[in-house]
Amino acid sequence: DAKTTQPNSMESNEEEPVHLPCNHSTISGTDYIHWYRQLPSQGPEYVIHGLTSNVNNRMASLAIAEDRKSSTLILHRATLRDAAVYYCILVTSGTYKYIFGTGTRLKVLA
Amino acid sequence: DTEVTQTPKHLVMGMTNKKSLKCEQHMGHRAMYWYKQKAKKPPELMFVYSYEKLSINESVPSRFSPECPNSSLLNLHLHALQPEDSALYLCALHKDNTGELFFGEGSRLTVL
Repeated sequence: DAKTTQPNSMESNEEEPVHLPCNHSTISGTDYIHWYRQLPSQGPEYVIHGLTSNVNNRMASLAIAEDRKSSTLILHRATLRDAAVYYCILVTSGTYKYIFGTGTRLKVLA
Repeated sequence: DTEVTQTPKHLVMGMTNKKSLKCEQHMGHRAMYWYKQKAKKPPELMFVYSYEKLSINESVPSRFSPECPNSSLLNLHLHALQPEDSALYLCALHKDNTGELFFGEGSRLTVL
């Protein structure tokens, strides 16, 4: 299983953008990059995913490096409700194997 | 509508008890998961069922026994557990049209 590396923790000020990095140097061509987040006392929730191109949705944007060895989850305006653990996961196409790494704990300061 | 319903929300059991956790969905998604999560740790994949057949078992001890009797229901049977098995057990389903996992709220298990 390809591995991901994320910083243990990050801080952001409220209403400022947040860039959460993920390194995945052993990614293969059929691996999708998924991001999930887990708010306190809840199950993880899907944020966004992509393969090669940058992706946007109502929650966030995903910027994928040209060589695909890293990606960045972008929260455009952090709110206190965005304080959570963010997980970057590689999922091989055609498989159901979603392995969570240690994630980044995001703290949002008022 | 709640997509994934897990019951019970809390369970306390002794090491000699037999109990079950239940996960129910009515969205027609064909892959369902069990994860185990200890405090301040990431979820650990335990089992995946695809089309009601076990497709992934991440070397889980036999005291955990999964069952998928139909496409709407996923059970996790528990027997002779240890205190270190105390954790939050999360059920998830795979949304085939989007590729995302959707998680339930979990069942918090305490083994005495």
